[in-house]
Amino acid sequence: DAMVIQNPRYQVTQFGKPVTLSCSQTLNHNVMYWYQQKSSQAPKLLFHYYDKDFNNEADTPDNFQSRRPNTSFCFLDIRSPGLGDAAMYLCATSSPSGTGVGNQPQHFGDGTRLSIL
Amino acid sequence: SQQGEEDPQALSIQEGENATMNCSYKTSINNLQWYRQNSGRGLVHLILIRSNEREKHSGRLRVTLDTSKKSSSLLITASRAADTASYFCATDRYFGNEKLTFGTGTRLTIIP
Repeated sequence: DAMVIQNPRYQVTQFGKPVTLSCSQTLNHNVMYWYQQKSSQAPKLLFHYYDKDFNNEADTPDNFQSRRPNTSFCFLDIRSPGLGDAAMYLCATSSPSGTGVGNQPQHFGDGTRLSIL
Repeated sequence: SQQGEEDPQALSIQEGENATMNCSYKTSINNLQWYRQNSGRGLVHLILIRSNEREKHSGRLRVTLDTSKKSSSLLITASRAADTASYFCATDRYFGNEKLTFGTGTRLTIIP
Protein backbone atom coordinates (compact mmCIF):
# COMPACT_ATOMS: atom_id res chain seq x y z
CA ASP A 1 0.00 0.00 0.00
CA ALA A 2 1.15 3.53 -0.72
CA MET A 3 2.11 5.20 2.49
CA VAL A 4 4.15 7.62 4.54
CA ILE A 5 6.88 6.02 6.64
CA GLN A 6 8.76 7.67 9.47
CA ASN A 7 11.91 6.35 11.01
CA PRO A 8 12.65 5.76 13.74
CA ARG A 9 9.39 5.53 15.72
CA TYR A 10 11.24 6.47 18.90
CA GLN A 11 14.40 8.55 19.12
CA VAL A 12 16.35 9.44 22.21
CA THR A 13 19.08 12.05 22.06
CA GLN A 14 21.12 14.07 24.47
CA PHE A 15 20.63 17.75 25.18
CA GLY A 16 22.46 19.68 22.46
CA LYS A 17 23.30 16.64 20.32
CA PRO A 18 22.11 16.99 16.70
CA VAL A 19 19.43 14.59 15.58
CA THR A 20 17.85 13.79 12.22
CA LEU A 21 14.39 12.37 11.69
CA SER A 22 13.44 10.87 8.37
CA CYS A 23 10.28 10.52 6.32
CA SER A 24 9.66 8.68 3.09
CA GLN A 25 6.58 8.38 0.92
CA THR A 26 5.43 6.10 -1.85
CA LEU A 27 2.46 8.32 -2.77
CA ASN A 28 4.49 10.50 -5.16
CA HIS A 29 2.94 13.60 -3.60
CA ASN A 30 4.35 17.03 -4.36
CA VAL A 31 3.96 18.46 -0.88
CA MET A 32 5.63 17.21 2.29
CA TYR A 33 5.07 18.67 5.75
CA TRP A 34 6.70 18.48 9.16
CA TYR A 35 4.62 19.03 12.28
CA GLN A 36 5.52 19.13 15.93
CA GLN A 37 2.92 17.79 18.34
CA LYS A 38 3.26 18.03 22.10
CA SER A 39 1.14 16.03 24.50
CA SER A 40 -2.60 16.74 24.24
CA GLN A 41 -2.00 19.59 21.76
CA ALA A 42 -2.77 20.20 18.11
CA PRO A 43 -0.10 19.46 15.51
CA LYS A 44 1.92 22.62 14.83
CA LEU A 45 3.30 23.12 11.33
CA LEU A 46 7.06 23.70 11.30
CA PHE A 47 7.61 23.91 7.51
CA HIS A 48 6.69 22.29 4.26
CA TYR A 49 8.04 21.65 0.78
CA TYR A 50 6.03 22.17 -2.35
CA ASP A 51 8.20 20.20 -4.74
CA LYS A 52 11.64 21.75 -4.10
CA ASP A 53 10.29 25.02 -2.73
CA PHE A 54 10.85 25.29 1.00
CA ASN A 55 8.28 27.17 3.11
CA ASN A 56 9.22 27.95 6.68
CA GLU A 57 6.66 29.02 9.29
CA ALA A 58 7.47 32.38 10.85
CA ASP A 59 7.62 31.00 14.39
CA THR A 60 9.70 27.90 13.66
CA PRO A 61 12.96 28.17 15.61
CA ASP A 62 16.22 28.37 13.63
CA ASN A 63 17.25 25.21 15.45
CA PHE A 64 14.94 23.27 13.11
CA GLN A 65 15.93 22.70 9.51
CA SER A 66 14.77 20.44 6.73
CA ARG A 67 16.07 18.81 3.59
CA ARG A 68 14.23 17.22 0.70
CA PRO A 69 16.75 15.52 -1.59
CA ASN A 70 14.08 14.02 -3.85
CA THR A 71 10.32 13.57 -4.12
CA SER A 72 10.25 10.54 -1.85
CA PHE A 73 12.35 11.65 1.11
CA CYS A 74 12.30 14.51 3.58
CA PHE A 75 14.43 15.02 6.67
CA LEU A 76 14.02 17.08 9.82
CA ASP A 77 17.28 18.19 11.42
CA ILE A 78 17.36 19.56 14.95
CA ARG A 79 20.74 21.15 15.37
CA SER A 80 20.90 21.53 19.14
CA PRO A 81 17.91 19.90 20.79
CA GLY A 82 16.66 21.42 24.00
CA LEU A 83 14.34 19.90 26.57
CA GLY A 84 11.46 21.85 25.07
CA ASP A 85 11.91 20.03 21.75
CA ALA A 86 10.73 16.73 23.21
CA ALA A 87 7.61 15.95 21.22
CA MET A 88 6.05 13.79 18.55
CA TYR A 89 7.18 14.82 15.08
CA LEU A 90 4.76 14.05 12.29
CA CYS A 91 5.43 13.97 8.57
CA ALA A 92 2.58 14.34 6.11
CA THR A 93 2.07 14.59 2.36
CA SER A 94 -0.54 15.97 0.01
CA SER A 95 -1.03 16.32 -3.70
CA PRO A 96 -2.40 19.16 -5.82
CA SER A 97 -5.68 18.64 -7.56
CA GLY A 98 -7.53 20.54 -10.21
CA THR A 99 -9.16 22.57 -7.47
CA GLY A 100 -5.98 23.29 -5.52
CA VAL A 101 -3.85 21.57 -2.91
CA GLY A 102 -5.85 23.00 -0.08
CA ASN A 103 -8.78 20.82 -1.07
CA GLN A 104 -6.90 17.59 -0.60
CA PRO A 105 -6.47 15.58 2.59
CA GLN A 106 -3.06 15.15 4.13
CA HIS A 107 -1.59 11.69 4.62
CA PHE A 108 0.36 11.23 7.82
CA GLY A 109 3.06 8.88 8.98
CA ASP A 110 2.90 7.41 12.47
CA GLY A 111 5.40 9.92 13.78
CA THR A 112 8.70 9.85 15.62
CA ARG A 113 8.56 10.42 19.36
CA LEU A 114 11.67 12.36 20.35
CA SER A 115 12.98 12.31 23.91
CA ILE A 116 15.78 14.54 25.16
CA LEU A 117 18.03 13.40 28.00
CA SER B 1 -4.30 32.87 14.25
CA GLN B 2 -7.26 31.03 12.89
CA GLN B 3 -6.64 27.92 14.97
CA GLY B 4 -9.87 26.12 15.64
CA GLU B 5 -11.25 25.57 19.06
CA GLU B 6 -12.94 22.27 19.71
CA ASP B 7 -15.35 21.34 22.38
CA PRO B 8 -15.64 19.43 24.44
CA GLN B 9 -11.96 18.87 25.17
CA ALA B 10 -12.84 15.37 26.35
CA LEU B 11 -15.93 13.22 25.96
CA SER B 12 -16.75 9.80 27.42
CA ILE B 13 -19.80 7.87 26.29
CA GLN B 14 -21.14 4.34 26.37
CA GLU B 15 -20.63 2.10 23.38
CA GLY B 16 -23.59 2.39 21.02
CA GLU B 17 -24.34 6.02 21.89
CA ASN B 18 -23.77 8.91 19.50
CA ALA B 19 -20.84 11.28 19.94
CA THR B 20 -20.90 14.92 18.85
CA MET B 21 -17.85 17.15 18.68
CA ASN B 22 -17.81 20.81 17.72
CA CYS B 23 -15.21 23.00 16.06
CA SER B 24 -15.14 26.78 15.78
CA TYR B 25 -12.70 28.82 13.73
CA LYS B 26 -11.92 32.49 13.31
CA THR B 27 -11.49 33.44 9.66
CA SER B 28 -13.03 32.55 6.31
CA ILE B 29 -12.10 29.14 5.02
CA ASN B 30 -11.94 27.22 1.77
CA ASN B 31 -12.71 23.86 3.30
CA LEU B 32 -12.73 22.08 6.64
CA GLN B 33 -11.42 18.60 7.33
CA TRP B 34 -11.75 16.20 10.24
CA TYR B 35 -8.98 13.85 11.32
CA ARG B 36 -8.72 11.04 13.86
CA GLN B 37 -5.60 10.25 15.87
CA ASN B 38 -5.23 7.04 17.82
CA SER B 39 -2.88 7.19 20.78
CA GLY B 40 0.75 7.27 19.68
CA ARG B 41 -0.12 7.22 15.98
CA GLY B 42 -0.39 9.65 13.10
CA LEU B 43 -3.53 11.44 11.99
CA VAL B 44 -6.00 9.78 9.67
CA HIS B 45 -8.21 11.81 7.38
CA LEU B 46 -11.93 11.21 7.92
CA ILE B 47 -13.92 13.66 5.86
CA LEU B 48 -13.61 16.96 3.99
CA ILE B 49 -16.42 19.48 3.63
CA ARG B 50 -16.16 22.44 1.31
CA SER B 51 -17.21 25.94 2.29
CA ASN B 52 -20.21 25.78 -0.05
CA GLU B 53 -21.48 22.54 1.52
CA ARG B 54 -23.63 22.35 4.62
CA GLU B 55 -23.63 18.64 5.42
CA LYS B 56 -21.71 15.55 4.45
CA HIS B 57 -21.96 11.89 5.37
CA SER B 58 -19.46 9.05 5.33
CA GLY B 59 -20.56 5.77 6.89
CA ARG B 60 -21.31 6.48 10.57
CA LEU B 61 -19.90 10.00 10.30
CA ARG B 62 -21.96 13.13 9.71
CA VAL B 63 -20.31 16.51 9.39
CA THR B 64 -22.09 19.85 9.28
CA LEU B 65 -20.64 23.23 8.43
CA ASP B 66 -22.12 26.64 9.24
CA THR B 67 -19.92 29.28 7.68
CA SER B 68 -22.05 32.11 9.09
CA LYS B 69 -21.22 30.91 12.59
CA LYS B 70 -17.74 29.71 11.64
CA SER B 71 -18.44 26.33 13.15
CA SER B 72 -18.59 22.66 12.28
CA SER B 73 -19.73 19.54 14.05
CA LEU B 74 -18.76 15.88 13.74
CA LEU B 75 -21.33 13.28 14.71
CA ILE B 76 -20.32 9.65 15.13
CA THR B 77 -23.36 7.41 15.34
CA ALA B 78 -23.55 4.02 17.07
CA SER B 79 -20.12 4.44 18.62
CA ARG B 80 -17.72 1.52 18.98
CA ALA B 81 -14.75 0.92 21.26
CA ALA B 82 -12.51 1.35 18.22
CA ASP B 83 -13.70 4.97 17.88
CA THR B 84 -11.71 5.86 21.01
CA ALA B 85 -9.25 8.47 19.75
CA SER B 86 -8.60 12.20 19.50
CA TYR B 87 -10.47 14.06 16.80
CA PHE B 88 -9.18 17.24 15.19
CA CYS B 89 -10.75 19.68 12.81
CA ALA B 90 -8.47 21.45 10.34
CA THR B 91 -9.05 24.41 8.07
CA ASP B 92 -7.31 25.95 5.10
CA ARG B 93 -7.53 29.64 4.49
CA TYR B 94 -8.07 30.09 0.82
CA PHE B 95 -8.22 28.33 -2.49
CA GLY B 96 -5.02 26.60 -3.39
CA ASN B 97 -3.40 27.02 0.02
CA GLU B 98 -1.65 23.80 0.93
CA LYS B 99 -1.42 24.54 4.66
CA LEU B 100 -3.86 23.35 7.29
CA THR B 101 -4.43 24.81 10.73
CA PHE B 102 -5.54 22.24 13.29
CA GLY B 103 -7.95 22.71 16.14
CA THR B 104 -7.20 21.81 19.71
CA GLY B 105 -8.88 18.41 19.46
CA THR B 106 -11.48 16.39 21.35
CA ARG B 107 -10.41 13.29 23.22
CA LEU B 108 -13.21 10.70 22.79
CA THR B 109 -13.41 7.64 25.02
CA ILE B 110 -15.94 4.92 24.27
CA ILE B 111 -16.79 2.82 27.30
CA PRO B 112 -17.55 -0.82 26.39
